[in-house]
Order: sequence, then C-alpha cells, then structure tokens
Amino acid sequence: EVQLVESGGGLMQPGGSLRLSCAVSGFTVSSNYVTWVRQAPGKGLEWVSVIYSSGTTYYADSVRGRVTISRDNSKNTVYLQMNSLRAGDTAMYYCARVLRGMVVLAPPYDWWFDPWGQGTLVTVSS
Amino acid sequence: SSELTQDPAMSVALGQTVTITCHGDGLRTYYASWYQQKPGQAPVLVIYGKKDRPLGIPDRFSGFSSGSTAALTITGAQAEDEADYYCSSRDSSGNRHWVFGGGTKLTVL
Repeated sequence: EVQLVESGGGLMQPGGSLRLSCAVSGFTVSSNYVTWVRQAPGKGLEWVSVIYSSGTTYYADSVRGRVTISRDNSKNTVYLQMNSLRAGDTAMYYCARVLRGMVVLAPPYDWWFDPWGQGTLVTVSS
Repeated sequence: SSELTQDPAMSVALGQTVTITCHGDGLRTYYASWYQQKPGQAPVLVIYGKKDRPLGIPDRFSGFSSGSTAALTITGAQAEDEADYYCSSRDSSGNRHWVFGGGTKLTVL
C-alpha cells in the first residue's frame, strides 16, 4: 500500500526554523517525484515545492529562498526545511506523490498528485 | 504564472447532477486533476487526465476537458459528496510549478 506520513509540525516563533518529514512506504522516493502542498486555516490549497527523481527541485515564489526540499533515499523520506518562518507560513502541510500520464507528442500533458499524506500543522506565532 | 478559476460555492439537491468547472488558459497544455477535501481530512484525487477515475472512486464522478475548461460532474449526488473540490494543473508558463484553483464548496441539499 502506498502511504505518506508527515511529521515535524508544531508551534514556532517568527524567524524560527523547522524541518518537516514525509515518510514514504509503497514506493521509492528516489524513483518518483514528491511534492509539498500547504493549506492555511480556512483557505485553499497552495503548491509549495517538488523534488524530482533526478534530485531537481522547484519552489513556489512565496517560499523560494526560505525553504529547501530534500530527501534521504536510505530512509525513503522527503524533507521540507523551512527557515525565517513568518505568520503567513501557518498552514497544514501535505506531501503527495506526483504521477505522470503517458508521454505524448502533443499537449495536453497529464500530471496529478496521489496519494496525499494526512498533513502536519505548522503554526507560526509569537 | 498560470491561474485556475473556480466558482467559490455551489449546491445540488440530493440525487441530482452538478458540474463544477475550472477555467484557465493553462488547461490547453496540461489536463486538470480534481481533488475532494472533506473537513479535517486530506485531499483525495477523484479525477485525473481527460476523464480518468482512480480505483475506489465511485463512477458517479466523471470528468471532461476541452480547451481552457475542465469540468467535474457528479451524477446522482450523495450526502457524502458534500466537500470542497479543487482543480489543479501544472503551470503552463514553463516555471515547472503547479497551481490550484480556489476551490468550490459543494453543498448537498
């Protein structure tokens, strides 16, 4: 069974740092794309970051320079290091596997997130 | 960057059909995927690709995509379908990001 389990959230002060973990079972992180998505209280979903099987990483503009996604293949775990935390980072953070449809010669192309973890809550407040 | 637009809220009578739409120029390049989120729970994939449905998702959920519009249809809505629904696609601007629509809160009357 494919499963992702997030941990590491908590109450943090502005300016602090935090590392979130996404422990994966049922697939290998080194051969797949894994993404982080967050949801502020009462708000919609916001894409945060992705790590490719190649190790290439991308970040949303709202977190670039403050957040680093990485993975430990031996632990089959993906991490999200968050620095210089702000009140606006307060959210539930979800990780998910990224899947891709068949490679086609012309668009539309097909990508989706499945499954998702249960999330870990990060609260930034003084 | 790309943007996806959804109606904030919709309602449907029990047993009736409702279609939730998602608009964005980026949908001409990337299919939308649809996620159902119930209060206090993580999102769950319900539709991906042009009209594919993951195992375990009831066949009353269906998808459609054409041009800059994607649609999620629930045929014979049930009380348990009351949830927030989000569309998502890859950003077509070339920045390798993903984007989400603002979500549609579906109420089953």
